Amino acid sequence: DVKVTQSSRYLVKRTGEKVFLECVQDMDHENMFWYRQDPGLGLRLIYFSYDVKMKEKGDIPEGYSVSREKKERFSLILESASTNQTSMYLCASSFLPAGGVGYGYTFGSGTRLTVV
Amino acid sequence: AQTVTQSQPEMSVQEAETVTLSCTYDTSENNYYLFWYKQPPSRQMILVIRQEAYKQQNATENRFSVNFQKAAKSFSLKISDSQLGDTAMYFCAFCLGASNTGKLIFGQGTTLQVKP
Repeated sequence: DVKVTQSSRYLVKRTGEKVFLECVQDMDHENMFWYRQDPGLGLRLIYFSYDVKMKEKGDIPEGYSVSREKKERFSLILESASTNQTSMYLCASSFLPAGGVGYGYTFGSGTRLTVV
Repeated sequence: AQTVTQSQPEMSVQEAETVTLSCTYDTSENNYYLFWYKQPPSRQMILVIRQEAYKQQNATENRFSVNFQKAAKSFSLKISDSQLGDTAMYFCAFCLGASNTGKLIFGQGTTLQVKP
């Protein structure tokens, strides 16, 4: 069964801490994405990566960075956690579209991060 | 820029009845894909149904079907014979067909409660 695995289901961190959220996929997907999910706002894209060491900013990259050293792993980094980064974080992966075909994503089960 | 709007934050339906969730989107492109995802309390996002914009025929997956109105930029999801397991948050999503990243844009979500 193919999977996207997020390392933590729940996480509590203190303001100012550096936080790492890890995501691993076993489907040999080129694309990987980080979203945050907040009530009433849906899913908003933070960063995505279409290849190893390649990254692009999404709609809300401020306060975040990412790392993709290997194809299967995509890490989201909160450089200095703040309370407004308390949220659900979802990782997803997909194949690169071929011939303009959109396949959609496979998602991880999310990390609920609380910053106190 | 493309946008996706789900105007119903919450809905409820009696078990075995039919419910329709609404979604509208905005784009000037002709080649794109639309998706409905389901997020149950377990938080695992699951692809429910996918529609290719160039196909006039509405997509169907068992009890789930869509009403795709391209001119009106509307993409509603109909759930027939609702079951308790359909209780979840549902997200509508959009992807440009010409995109080289397959990036999805999500709506705000609709929480569906199926009542026994």
